[in-house]
Amino acid sequence: AQSVTQLGSHVSVSEGALVLLRCNYSSSVPPYLFWYVQYPNQGLQLLLKYTTGATLVKGINGFEAEFKKSETSFHLTKPSAHMSDAAEYFCAVNTNAGKSTFGDGTTLTVKP
Amino acid sequence: DTAVSQTPKYLVTQMGNDKSIKCEQNLGHDTMYWYKQDSKKFLKIMFSYNNKELIINETVPNRFSPKSPDKAHLNLHINSLELGDSAVYFCASSQERVRDTQYFGPGTRLTVL
Repeated sequence: AQSVTQLGSHVSVSEGALVLLRCNYSSSVPPYLFWYVQYPNQGLQLLLKYTTGATLVKGINGFEAEFKKSETSFHLTKPSAHMSDAAEYFCAVNTNAGKSTFGDGTTLTVKP
Repeated sequence: DTAVSQTPKYLVTQMGNDKSIKCEQNLGHDTMYWYKQDSKKFLKIMFSYNNKELIINETVPNRFSPKSPDKAHLNLHINSLELGDSAVYFCASSQERVRDTQYFGPGTRLTVL
């Protein structure tokens, strides 16, 4: 069975500071990993994904994530937070069975 | 040119009623999903259809019945609504089940009184 753990349900950073949102997964088969963002009263939209190839993945809005198989992690980072980054962030894992499992989400607050 | 649309956006109803939520995607995708997001923002998959065939059916009460009349539509019918059904329901679609991005609709906020 697969699972996703997002450490820290709430993360608060100052504008301009580094953003680090943590995601660890458990999967018995090679995973496909995703980060989605949800702005208030909207559906989820993709930030970035890892399927195969380069383990450092760049996404929209300056976000990137690195797949580390040995650590079973896929942490999301952004060098400099912007007020518009305030949102809910979800890490998700897909397996070859076609099932998606989402983490519990991390609420990112950006202070001026 | 909305990719994934849902109707209605808000649904307020009494316990015991039956209601439906409709979903349409114009992306030409083969796979569609229903998710439930509770008040704590936890997101859980309920159903997945591929080419009108049910492929994922999580432990969801049988009061919930999905129907896919064609590849572009996946509707969710809920019988005998209960207070615990109050949540935001998201429809999503993807071209392929495993590697591809899921595109989410705007959500339907269901409130059961």
